[in-house]
Amino acid sequence: NAGVTQTPKFQVLKTGQSMTLQCAQDMNHEYMSWYRQDPGMGLRLIHYSVGAGITDQGEVPNGYNVSRSTTEDFPLRLLSAAPSQTSVYFCASTSGGPSYEQYFGPGTRLTVT
Amino acid sequence: KQEVTQIPAALSVPEGENLVLNCSFTDSAIYNLQWFRQDPGKGLTSLLLIQSSQREQTSGRLNASLDKSSGRSTLYIAASQPGDSATYLCAVDWRAETSGSRLTFGEGTQLTVNP
Repeated sequence: NAGVTQTPKFQVLKTGQSMTLQCAQDMNHEYMSWYRQDPGMGLRLIHYSVGAGITDQGEVPNGYNVSRSTTEDFPLRLLSAAPSQTSVYFCASTSGGPSYEQYFGPGTRLTVT
Repeated sequence: KQEVTQIPAALSVPEGENLVLNCSFTDSAIYNLQWFRQDPGKGLTSLLLIQSSQREQTSGRLNASLDKSSGRSTLYIAASQPGDSATYLCAVDWRAETSGSRLTFGEGTQLTVNP
C-alpha cells in the first residue's frame, strides 16, 4: 500500500493563477480531508468528504474548491491564488470504525508570490 | 468553541530523561484523540490513538493517557533519545454522524533531545 500520496511536493504560483493539488489513497477509506498548516496556527481543516460525491466545508474553505468523484481521489483546487494561501497543504484519509484513525500524506508546500 | 491546547510550545531535555507532553481540550465529548509526530519539512506520522472509552495506549517507549473529565491527555516518552526530536501534535476528533472525522489540532510541542 502506498497509503496517502500527494502531488506536487512543491509549487510556486503567481497571484491570480489557479492550480489543483492532487491527493490519492489506496486504502479504500470513505473519509478524506484537506488541511493547511501555517506557523503559529497549527493545522486547520479546509474541506472534507465522507464519501464519493459528498463534500463539505471545514474551518477555512474560502478560495478553495473540492470534488470527490471516486473513493480514491480528492483533489483541492485553488481558484485564484493569493499570497495568503502560501502554506503547507496536507491531505488525510480516515479508516473505518470504531477507531477512525487518520493517515496523512507527505504534504505540498505552496508559495504564492 | 472546541479548542485544543498544547503546553509547553517547546521543550529541551538531555538524552535519557523521561518526559511528559501535555494536551488539553475544551469539550469532553470527544470521539478519539490522536498523537502525531512531525519531523521538519515532513508529514504527520500517527503515534497513538485513544478512543473515548479508553484510558491509555502504549507503543514501545510511548504511553498516552486520556482523562475526559478534566479535558486532558498526556504523552509520556520514556528514556528519551536524540531521534525523538520532532514536533508532537495532539488532535481531537469530535466526530458527528453527518460530518465524519474532523480533527482539531493543537499547535504542537517542539521537542529537542540533546545528546
